[in-house]
Formats: sequence, structure tokens, C-alpha cells
Amino acid sequence: DAKTTQPPSMDCAEGRAANLPCNHSTISGNEYVYWYRQIHSQGPQYIIHGLKNNETNEMASLIITEDRKSSTLILPHATLRDTAVYYCIVRVRGKLIFGQGTELSVKP
Amino acid sequence: DTEVTQTPKHLVMGMTNKKSLKCEQHMGHRAMYWYKQKAKKPPELMFVYSYEKLSINESVPSRFSPECPNSSLLNLHLHALQPEDSALYLCASSQWFGSSNDEQFFGPGTRLTVL
Repeated sequence: DAKTTQPPSMDCAEGRAANLPCNHSTISGNEYVYWYRQIHSQGPQYIIHGLKNNETNEMASLIITEDRKSSTLILPHATLRDTAVYYCIVRVRGKLIFGQGTELSVKP
Repeated sequence: DTEVTQTPKHLVMGMTNKKSLKCEQHMGHRAMYWYKQKAKKPPELMFVYSYEKLSINESVPSRFSPECPNSSLLNLHLHALQPEDSALYLCASSQWFGSSNDEQFFGPGTRLTVL
């Protein structure tokens, strides 16, 4: 199964863009990349997903490299409420296989 | 309504008790999931139900027994648990299982402590 690799932690200044990287070098052609986040002890919250093209919604943008081996989640204007663990996931045959995630701390 | 609800929020049980966790969704989703999350770890898939039938059991011990009485409801029956089973139990749902292009919605979880 495709696996993801993320940095364990990152800091970001409030109001600045947060760019969270993810490597998924073994991804297959029909597997989607999903991003979820989890604020302390709550259920994971869906952010965005994509296959090949870049995607944008009201929460974030997802940039996927042309070879699909890596992606970046961009939170354009981070706020303190964006402090959370962010999971990059490759969805395999319907299953979400969570990696270790990146703990993002947004600081004033 | 894009909400998955779970009850109870917290549960403390002894190793000889029998208890149940409940999950409900009214989004018309036909796939429902149970995950287990230990502290400081990512969620791990336990079971998948598709059209009220068990599709996946990720080698979960038999002391955990899932049940899907109807398309909106998912239960997890607990019996003879061990202290290492203490965790956050998350329920999720999606339109269908097997599709890779639809969102899974998660509930807030049940925090289980086994004494």
C-alpha cells in the first residue's frame, strides 16, 4: 500500500501561509491524495483531496507534483485555530491509511 | 446535515463489563467505519460496513463486535476488554465504500478507558 512521509512538526506565524509537504513516492495512478486535520482529541476533519490536478477550496489549496510523488497543502492565511495535526493520506481501494502526520503550531 | 454523532462521549469500564458504542449518520451514506486511535498515534481502521454488511475486519480481536442494524446506525459491542484497549474510538461514514473520490466524515469519537 502507498505510504506517506511528513515532517513531524512545523511552526507558522499567524497570518502567514502554512505550506505542509508530503511525500508519497509509491502512489499508484488511480490513488487519490487526501488531507485531514485533527484538533486535539476531536474527530479528523476533511480538508481537501486530489488526483492529479491542483485543487482549491475555501479551506486550502493542494498542489500535486506532475509525477505525483509529492504534494503540498497550503493554508493561505494561518490562524491560531489552524493549530492541529495534519494528515496526508493516500486512499487505497476506499481505505484511508493514516500516516504519522505533521503537528502544525501557529504562533502569534 | 453533514454530521456523524457518537455516544457516549466518554466511557469507563471494567475488564468484565459489556458495553456498546453507538454511531449515527443521516446523510444517506452506505459505508460506515470504525477506527481506533491511541494517544499520540494516527487513527487505525478496524471495520468497514458497506450496505449494512461487514466488508473489512482488519484482524480485530473478537472482544470487539461490530453491528450495523440499519443504514444509519453502527454499533461496536465491547466485552472482556483489556486496559490496552483504552483509546479514542472514531466512527466515520462515506457515500460508498471502494470509491476513492468521496469524503469520509468523522464523528467526535468516544474516549474509552478500561480499568
